[in-house]
Amino acid sequence: NAGVTQTPKFRILKIGQSMTLQCTQDMNHNYMYWYRQDPGMGLKLIYYSVGAGITDKGEVPNGYNVSRSTTEDFPLRLELAAPSQTSVYFCATDRAANYGYTFGSGTRLTVV
Amino acid sequence: AQKVTQAQTEISVVEKEDVTLDCVYETRDTTYYLFWYKQPPSGELVFLIRRNSFDEQNEISGRYSWNFQKSTSSFNFTITASQVVDSAVYFCALGHGSGNTGKLIFGQGTTLQVKP
Repeated sequence: NAGVTQTPKFRILKIGQSMTLQCTQDMNHNYMYWYRQDPGMGLKLIYYSVGAGITDKGEVPNGYNVSRSTTEDFPLRLELAAPSQTSVYFCATDRAANYGYTFGSGTRLTVV
Repeated sequence: AQKVTQAQTEISVVEKEDVTLDCVYETRDTTYYLFWYKQPPSGELVFLIRRNSFDEQNEISGRYSWNFQKSTSSFNFTITASQVVDSAVYFCALGHGSGNTGKLIFGQGTTLQVKP
């Protein structure tokens, strides 16, 4: 049982490049989230989804995009990477709202 | 607006000491949820506990205990007889009771260092 799988674990991007952070879960959870973690700032919500075909913005959505075509996958797209997007990105799932997240292992992204 | 404050940025204790991590929250919701998550040095995030606003009973799980007080808007976390393996960053988080989104507001985190 893999749980929540994030790829890649590490990535260095140049300013202006684009990439997709992958998040896949095998727990059949409808609720999925993308957070970013910056030092001393806690976690900030980027986007979330309450089920396949439904996505919505979180607190810090600018510069990102998501899609949710299946229950299992919730990729996060970065277009035109900027140094401000240097962060650790976590994908999380939940079996229901406010039940308790299961997190992926994170992606450490550096934009230079 | 919702807010979570973890005023202690870093705490350092010696093994076997008891330690309390503070969490103060702000919300206008009558129904809400509170959480604690642990982030050990390896970096993953682990769910520890969930509490809803209607359940003020304290919770104990082994060496861990949680004290929820609505009167002071606090949800504090105590580790009894701390161990080196407790060294981690601990996050308190707050969730809306309405809207059924499951979105969380996280505190800034408290880094706990337990020295042998």
